[in-house]
Amino acid sequence: DAGVTQSPTHLIKTRGQHVTLRCSPISGHKSVSWYQQVLGQGPQFIFQYYEKEERGRGNFPDRFSARQFPNYSSELNVNALLLGDSALYLCASRRGGISYNEQFFGPGTRLTVL
Amino acid sequence: GIQVEQSPPDLILQEGANSTLRCNFSDSVNNLQWFHQNPWGQLINLFYIPSGTKQNGRLSATTVATERYSLLYISSSQTTDSGVYFCAVLISNFGNEKLTFGTGTRLTIIP
Repeated sequence: DAGVTQSPTHLIKTRGQHVTLRCSPISGHKSVSWYQQVLGQGPQFIFQYYEKEERGRGNFPDRFSARQFPNYSSELNVNALLLGDSALYLCASRRGGISYNEQFFGPGTRLTVL
Repeated sequence: GIQVEQSPPDLILQEGANSTLRCNFSDSVNNLQWFHQNPWGQLINLFYIPSGTKQNGRLSATTVATERYSLLYISSSQTTDSGVYFCAVLISNFGNEKLTFGTGTRLTIIP
């Protein structure tokens, strides 16, 4: 079975632009979460979606938004990019519904904001 | 929110040595996972271990949920074990769930 996939792998944007990152979960997984990892730190939680509904939101500004589609894939959108948004963006999927489920991560999208 | 601390922050060992990485957390959790992050950023699942002990080859992990800590043991280290090790805890609150990652341990194995 394929793992979690993310696209694109790398992205370079300039300040003020908008970016869309995409994630496809493992087949059969209904929950997708997004994390931001700044260089030298651990990943920070941004959003969790389950069955197309937002179930959790981290401490990120409204410039960050996400959605989940009927096929359980997900998009993370970031508006008005700042230099500080440069990071590795990770997507994780799990089967969902019950807390006692393991999360699996994709390879990430490395975003550079110039 | 919950605090997750890992120790030591950095560890440099000779190939073949054994090591113990520790993860302390400040509140009750629903689950705990250990990850190895390779140089390309990929988080590789090592253990899903909300409590008890598990072993997988040269690696084993123990979580004592009542005392709020988890340990990751690596025996007979190899250079491919180098990287950053993270523990992450999940707290579920009325369907709102998030993984909180620890501060990480950077392990360097010298040939």
